[in-house]
Amino acid sequence: KNEVEQSPQNLTAQEGEFITINCSYSVGISALHWLQQHPGGGIVSLFMLSSGKKKHGRLIATINIQEKHSSLHITASHPRDSAVYICAVRANTGNQFYFGTGTSLTVIP
Amino acid sequence: NAGVTQTPKFRVLKTGQSMTLLCAQDMNHEYMYWYRQDPGMGLRLIHYSVGEGTTAKGEVPDGYNVSRLKKQNFLLGLESAAPSQTSVYFCASSPDRHLTQYFGPGTRLTVL
Repeated sequence: KNEVEQSPQNLTAQEGEFITINCSYSVGISALHWLQQHPGGGIVSLFMLSSGKKKHGRLIATINIQEKHSSLHITASHPRDSAVYICAVRANTGNQFYFGTGTSLTVIP
Repeated sequence: NAGVTQTPKFRVLKTGQSMTLLCAQDMNHEYMYWYRQDPGMGLRLIHYSVGEGTTAKGEVPDGYNVSRLKKQNFLLGLESAAPSQTSVYFCASSPDRHLTQYFGPGTRLTVL
């Protein structure tokens, strides 16, 4: 059983489309992270959330603690957004992190 | 500011050989982590450290040892490599447990 589930696993979009990636988790958390992994393998942290909503340029992340669910939205998608997006949660006990298996996004020009 | 660096970037080992992966950070972060990433699975925590001289087990610690003798360095050792340890290894650091983690570029290890 995975503590963090993401959907969809793979996503192909046309440039300009609005994209949503979903993350559900089953443990109590102190924070949720969205990460971006580029085709070359490097991992960058996009957001850390414990409640509500955050916005960074064309990226928006929301979290609903009661429903144990988070979404990552990309507005006006661009080919350079093509990457794997990973949801991770920090459990609220100990120092354990749990990671989703990622959503592979391809944005076609 | 180099951030988080990992050495080496690639390595091929034979079963039973030993090696050490080095992670270095220049951000004065207290927390450091070692993860492995395997196809179809999320990142999994191997070991972590909450400060110089401390280490703790993560989700998949068997077959690995770690040391944090200096605050800026976190070493991951494989005493007797096995094919199941073929993976991409990522190091990360953060100022404390509540804040964002910064990841290294990864080390691709193949054990034959």
